[in-house]
Amino acid sequence: KAGVTQTPRYLIKTRGQQVTLSCSPISGHRSVSWYQQTPGQGLQFLFEYFSETQRNKGNFPGRFSGRQFSNSRSEMNVSTLELGDSALYLCASSSVVEQGQYEQYFGPGTRLTVT
Amino acid sequence: GQNIDQPTEMTATEGAIVQINCTYQTSGFNGLFWYQQHAGEAPTFLSYNVLDGLEEKGRFSSFLSRSKGYSYLLLKELQMKDSASYLCAVRVINDYKLSFGAGTTVTVRA
Repeated sequence: KAGVTQTPRYLIKTRGQQVTLSCSPISGHRSVSWYQQTPGQGLQFLFEYFSETQRNKGNFPGRFSGRQFSNSRSEMNVSTLELGDSALYLCASSSVVEQGQYEQYFGPGTRLTVT
Repeated sequence: GQNIDQPTEMTATEGAIVQINCTYQTSGFNGLFWYQQHAGEAPTFLSYNVLDGLEEKGRFSSFLSRSKGYSYLLLKELQMKDSASYLCAVRVINDYKLSFGAGTTVTVRA
């Protein structure tokens, strides 16, 4: 089956603009998580959605928001972009496979550059 | 939060074996992941351990000791393509996220 897809793959924006990133999880996976990866901070958790509900949120300002649709596809939005928002944004699709077993796969990521 | 520690860098020779250690401190532990990440690419799933013991998948094996808060990833018969960052990540009950270590950069030399 198809893996996690993310669009767009690359994006260049200017400070103050806003951006929307999209993620389609693996078929059958209902949980979608978003992470930000930068050289200095590593992989940082943004938020997680399950059945259109946000179940957890990381320590990011309110400029970062997300949502999930009924088909499990998810979007994240960053408003009023800052230079420090330049990063690789990764979407992860996860599911409980069987008792005690859990799988989580990442999409290819969206590389955002803010100038 | 979870304290997850792994070495920053390791270097090994092609054909050799390398063991990457990961220690963690957390309550409500609910599984440990290992991912491989090549430069400029997304992390690729390698293994998931939730019970103590060793799990082997081809050249890669992962070990977990929950009582010691310790895991290792063993890479055997190293190949040049194994040069990458290896990320240890911990899952906690009812937390719905993974907490990642800073990653271990493995360099394989000819």
